[in-house]
Amino acid sequence: DAGVIQSPRHEVTEMGQEVTLRCKPISGHDYLFWYRQTMMRGLELLIYFNNNVPIDDSGMPEDRFSAKMPNASFSTLKIQPSEPRDSAVYFCASRRKQTNYGYTFGSGTRLTVV
Amino acid sequence: AQKITQTQPGMFVQEKEAVTLDCTYDTSDPSYGLFWYKQPSSGEMIFLIYQGSYDQQNATEGRYSLNFQKARKSANLVISASQLGDSAMYFCAMRVLWGNTDKLIFGTGTRLQVFP
Repeated sequence: DAGVIQSPRHEVTEMGQEVTLRCKPISGHDYLFWYRQTMMRGLELLIYFNNNVPIDDSGMPEDRFSAKMPNASFSTLKIQPSEPRDSAVYFCASRRKQTNYGYTFGSGTRLTVV
Repeated sequence: AQKITQTQPGMFVQEKEAVTLDCTYDTSDPSYGLFWYKQPSSGEMIFLIYQGSYDQQNATEGRYSLNFQKARKSANLVISASQLGDSAMYFCAMRVLWGNTDKLIFGTGTRLQVFP
């Protein structure tokens, strides 16, 4: 079990550029979550998928953010255009449907927008 | 509204001593789950322990135990025999199920520092 794999680990980009964060969930996990961690707001849910279908995107800050899950083993979070206030650590997590617990987090992507 | 509150921004404990990290929660749902995660300086989120609202006994995982007091809506984490490697941020979280929502909500965290 390789765990939840996120890439890149660190990303530095200039304001206005497009940023794509990637996540590979644990094989067999039905749910995938994208979280953002900032000093001001702590850990907050952006969006989650069940069986590749977006279920709740109410946490997505604005239209500049979009997320996709084209198949069970891959998801992306895209920011276009990026702004300095998007600087944060972005976590992906996955969970198997049959369990109430067992949310496994990836190592996160630290995004810095300059 | 569902909410997790961690009132201790930072805690210090001497190596080999026990420490309790506080967590209170607010929910009107009869079924919920409570979690503790550890975030070391390297940044990853490590699952420590889980307590279901209907679980009769307090959860334990090695040196970690969860002091679950349902009437007081508290779910404190107890770490016994602290080790230097326990120095990290600790987050309490609650699973929220409502309508289309199925998510973990987190407290603000407690930074634990273990000294020799």
